[in-house]
Amino acid sequence: AQSVAQPEDQVNVAEGNPLTVKCTYSVSGNPYLFWYVQYPNRGLQFLLKYITGDNLVKGSYGFEAEFNKSQTSFHLKKPSALVSDSALYFCAVRDDTGRRALTFGSGTRLQVQP
Amino acid sequence: EAEVAQSPRYKITEKSQAVAFWCDPISGHATLYWYRQILGQGPELLVQFQDESVVDDSQLPKDRFSAERLKGVDSTLKIQPAELGDSAMYLCASSLDSPNYGYTFGSGTRLTVV
Repeated sequence: AQSVAQPEDQVNVAEGNPLTVKCTYSVSGNPYLFWYVQYPNRGLQFLLKYITGDNLVKGSYGFEAEFNKSQTSFHLKKPSALVSDSALYFCAVRDDTGRRALTFGSGTRLQVQP
Repeated sequence: EAEVAQSPRYKITEKSQAVAFWCDPISGHATLYWYRQILGQGPELLVQFQDESVVDDSQLPKDRFSAERLKGVDSTLKIQPAELGDSAMYLCASSLDSPNYGYTFGSGTRLTVV
């Protein structure tokens, strides 16, 4: 079975400050990890992914994520938050066989205060 | 930029009525997914298609839900009869046939059962 945990329902950060949204995962074999963002009444938009290679992955809108195999984590980060980053963020995992669909976490609401 | 089309965007239906949702994936994407997202939760897989074949429908409530992708292109998800607990966002996603690729999501159909 594969699963994702996002331990924080909400993260609050001031504009200009760095942000971190936490994600841990469980999967058989090598993980393929993804981050998506969702704005109100919209579908999910792809931010970044880790397949293999460098543990620090850079994605859209200045976001990056760090893969840590020993801690089974894939935390999302941004050096300087914008008010427009306020949204719902989902971490997702699948195994490397490709046979199973992505499993999503419960989501973390990011609130960036001006 | 290519998009996954879903319709309708919003649907209000009475309990025990039938309802159907439509999805047109990105051209060339062999894999199509239907997810259900209850408010405040992460998306949960209902059904996965590879071309016209069902790969995984283990979480689809088959007594009331059905899904088809007859020509391996667009897809329809049906609920009959609808129940109050079916109120949710229904998301369609498509991807290339490789685990290296993420999904492209449609904007979803927001279903309210009254």
